[in-house]
Amino acid sequence: NAGVTQTPKFQVLKTGQSMTLQCAQDMNHEYMSWYRQDPGMGLRLIHYSVGAGITDQGEVPNGYNVSRSTTEDFPLRLLSAAPSQTSVYFCASSYLTGVQETQYFGPGTRLLVL
Amino acid sequence: AQSVAQPEDQVNVAEGNPLTVKCTYSVSGNPYLFWYVQYPNRGLQFLLKYITGDNLVKGSYGFEAEFNKSQTSFHLKKPSALVSDSALYFCAVRDIRWGKLQFGAGTQVVVTP
Repeated sequence: NAGVTQTPKFQVLKTGQSMTLQCAQDMNHEYMSWYRQDPGMGLRLIHYSVGAGITDQGEVPNGYNVSRSTTEDFPLRLLSAAPSQTSVYFCASSYLTGVQETQYFGPGTRLLVL
Repeated sequence: AQSVAQPEDQVNVAEGNPLTVKCTYSVSGNPYLFWYVQYPNRGLQFLLKYITGDNLVKGSYGFEAEFNKSQTSFHLKKPSALVSDSALYFCAVRDIRWGKLQFGAGTQVVVTP
């Protein structure tokens, strides 16, 4: 198993540009989520999904869109990048069979918006 | 609403000494608590979790955590720290409905030789 994979590893954008951060998992996990990590703020949930076709907002959803057309993939879209979106983004997945199931994290995407 | 607090931004400890990283939580029901570790330029790695049962939970790399319901705490401990334990440690509590994780702000652990 490759686990949770994320691409790209690093990206530089100009303000107003759009891009998609890719996330894929090969563990057949129902639950997938996106977090952003900023210094001193821990990880904050952006969006999450409990299965194909089902998504919902997390703590900081503004400026981001998601979709879940397959179990494996959960892309995060930035429609018009802003400097405030400079951050490290992590994708995570887990089973939904019980709340005790462990979340597995991808290696992260480092995004710089100029 | 659930919340997690890590009161220390950084913990410094000499190699071979005991290491403790503090975490307190607030949830309306039964807590599901987790510790994750993040090494530089890496994703988060799972260390251990408390769901139910024994208050002392043993995890990876020699770490353990003690669940204390009366003090609403879940402190991470290691009897003898290694330089390689230097990393960023996150405590988290899980939402019981959809599996959302609420993270603390993180504690940087620095172990000096």
